[in-house]
Amino acid sequence: SQQGEEDPQALSIQEGENATMNCSYKTSINNLQWYRQNSGRGLVHLILIRSNEREKHSGRLRVTLDTSKKSSSLLITASRAADTASYFCATDEGSSNTGKLIFGQGTTLQVKP
Amino acid sequence: EAQVTQNPRYLITVTGKKLTVTCSQNMNHEYMSWYRQDPGLGLRQIYYSMNVEVTDKGDVPEGYKVSRKEKRNFPLILESPSPNQTSLYFCASSHYDRDYGYTFGSGTRLTVV
Repeated sequence: SQQGEEDPQALSIQEGENATMNCSYKTSINNLQWYRQNSGRGLVHLILIRSNEREKHSGRLRVTLDTSKKSSSLLITASRAADTASYFCATDEGSSNTGKLIFGQGTTLQVKP
Repeated sequence: EAQVTQNPRYLITVTGKKLTVTCSQNMNHEYMSWYRQDPGLGLRQIYYSMNVEVTDKGDVPEGYKVSRKEKRNFPLILESPSPNQTSLYFCASSHYDRDYGYTFGSGTRLTVV
């Protein structure tokens, strides 16, 4: 079952600009994670934000979490061509102990040089 | 280097011919999981394991088997593959508390003809 919905589905920006992706989910969560996937390759963990946190930074990444709205956003500042990839949010459900990650459909980001 | 290793990376097989996709992690993670990724359907969990000899079904377990005889290994077995199992498969692992995200393998692209 897909819990996360991501917006936009695709985003094209110029190098140096900021990219913002949004994710919404439906159930209570332990944490929300963001992953990057280069075409056909494995997913790379970018950042995790716990349900009791509201904002987190890691390098050029900034993640916010609003549990009242069940939404999160990922901001990539000063984007580079190498940031071109698909980005997925994934929630670790709070109601079960399966450890299952529920992924959104992803945002495809293209950064033009 | 901390990693999840999947083999093979690519596999083309015929309907009904049993196959195994191997997954091994070197991080002493308790939790391991298999996902499949399909266009339009996203990433879906097949099976997961909380620890040695503890496995359970995910969202799409039909046609698959797993085993967890050692902590580091979590093979995915397709006893009688069918064309609808053509997909991109990922193995992932994490520590039990899962508060540090998951490490994914590079993926196995399986085609069943």
